[in-house]
Amino acid sequence: DAGVIQSPRHEVTEMGQEVTLRCKPISGHDYLFWYRQTMMRGLELLIYFNNNVPIDDSGMPEDRFSAKMPNASFSTLKIQPSEPRDSAVYFCASSLIPYEQYFGPGTRLTVT
Amino acid sequence: KQEVTQIPAALSVPEGENLVLNCSFTDSAIYNLQWFRQDPGKGLTSLLLIQSSQREQTSGRLNASLDKSSGRSTLYIAASQPGDSATYLCAVGGGATNKLIFGTGTLLAVQP
Repeated sequence: DAGVIQSPRHEVTEMGQEVTLRCKPISGHDYLFWYRQTMMRGLELLIYFNNNVPIDDSGMPEDRFSAKMPNASFSTLKIQPSEPRDSAVYFCASSLIPYEQYFGPGTRLTVT
Repeated sequence: KQEVTQIPAALSVPEGENLVLNCSFTDSAIYNLQWFRQDPGKGLTSLLLIQSSQREQTSGRLNASLDKSSGRSTLYIAASQPGDSATYLCAVGGGATNKLIFGTGTLLAVQP
């Protein structure tokens, strides 16, 4: 298996633009997690899905952030409009069991 | 609310030394504890996973222990090598949610 796939690996955008991050989980995994990592706050869980249904989005910072999982093999995290404080590395992880997660390589987002 | 702390935040050792990284958590009602490795600009790689009923796990030069009653885990690295240089994160799973709670990590540098 190729593991969790994320795209793009790097994204540089200007403040106010829409940003879409993509994730392909490991085939057969029922859970998908979106995390954000910054120096100041470490790794934070933003939202997770089970069987394509959002279960807990309490970590989503504000309404500018949204996530979807239209099918078992694809998820997106969208930020609209983006702000400089959204600059971070965004990770996607998937799992069969929620506490045994496999992480993707991450997307490094820079908002100028 | 579960809180996970890692000490020290950074550690530098000469090659060949044995070392211990520490992780503490506030709520002992955990499902498991994992140690991850993160290389610069990369995702997280799971090193060892200890179920709540276990006391330790070993993989090669790595040994992780778990003491639920005291809320502590240690990662022991024997005969350290420059290739061990990375950030090490511990994460606790458990409770009413399906979430992993991460510590802030220990940045390890092994000097040749």
